[in-house]
Amino acid sequence: AQSVAQPEDQVNVAEGNPLTVKCTYSVSGNPYLFWYVQYPNRGLQFLLKYITGDNLVKGSYGFEAEFNKSQTSFHLKKPSALVSDSALYFCAVRDIPGNTPLVFGKGTRLSVIA
Amino acid sequence: SAVISQKPSRDICQRGTSLTIQCQVDSQVTMMFWYRQQPGQSLTLIATANQGSEATYESGFVIDKFPISRPNLTFSTLTVSNMSPEDSSIYLCSVGDADSNQPQHFGDGTRLSIL
Repeated sequence: AQSVAQPEDQVNVAEGNPLTVKCTYSVSGNPYLFWYVQYPNRGLQFLLKYITGDNLVKGSYGFEAEFNKSQTSFHLKKPSALVSDSALYFCAVRDIPGNTPLVFGKGTRLSVIA
Repeated sequence: SAVISQKPSRDICQRGTSLTIQCQVDSQVTMMFWYRQQPGQSLTLIATANQGSEATYESGFVIDKFPISRPNLTFSTLTVSNMSPEDSSIYLCSVGDADSNQPQHFGDGTRLSIL
C-alpha cells in the first residue's frame, strides 16, 4: 500500500532564509508525487508534481522539490522564505496509474518569522 | 484547472441532525472524491463518488452514515447523518482527471461543528 511520511509537524524559518519541508514515500511501483499548500479557511492548492524526468521540479510561488529515488524522498524547498509562505503543507502520492485518489501525509505547518 | 464550489462553507449543527454538503464543478470531471480533515490532522478519504452508480467507500466509512450522490459529471453531495461531536471536521470535495499524471483539485471545504 502507498503511504507518505512528513516527519516534522512544524518548521520554523526566518524570512529570507531557505526552507525545506521533508517528505518520504512508500509505493509498490513508480511514484506520482505532489505537494499542496493549505492557507487558513481554504482548501488545498496544488504547488507542484513529479511524474518522471528531471529530479528537480519547479512549481508555484517559487517553490521547488527534489525527487530522490534512492532515499524515497520528495522534499519541498524554497531559496528565500516569505512571511506569506506560512501555511500548512501536504505531500501526496499515487502509485497506480488511473483513477485512484491521492494519499496524503499528515501535513507540516510552516511558520516564517519576520 | 476546474473551479470547485462547496456549500455551505461552514455550519454549526445540533447532534442527531443531518447536513448535506454540495459540490459543484464548472466543468465535467471524471473523478470526484470526498475527504475529511479532522482538527490538526491530515486528509482522510471518505469515498469516491461514481457517476451513475453507488459511491465506493473507504474502510471505516459506511453509506448509512455518509450517503453520497453524483447525478452528473459536475455535481455531487455528501450527507453527514445523525451527527455527533466526533463528526466535527472540515469536509473537502476534490476532483480528478482520468490521467493519473494530473493533480487533484479541491474546493475550499465545509467547516462543520456539532454541538
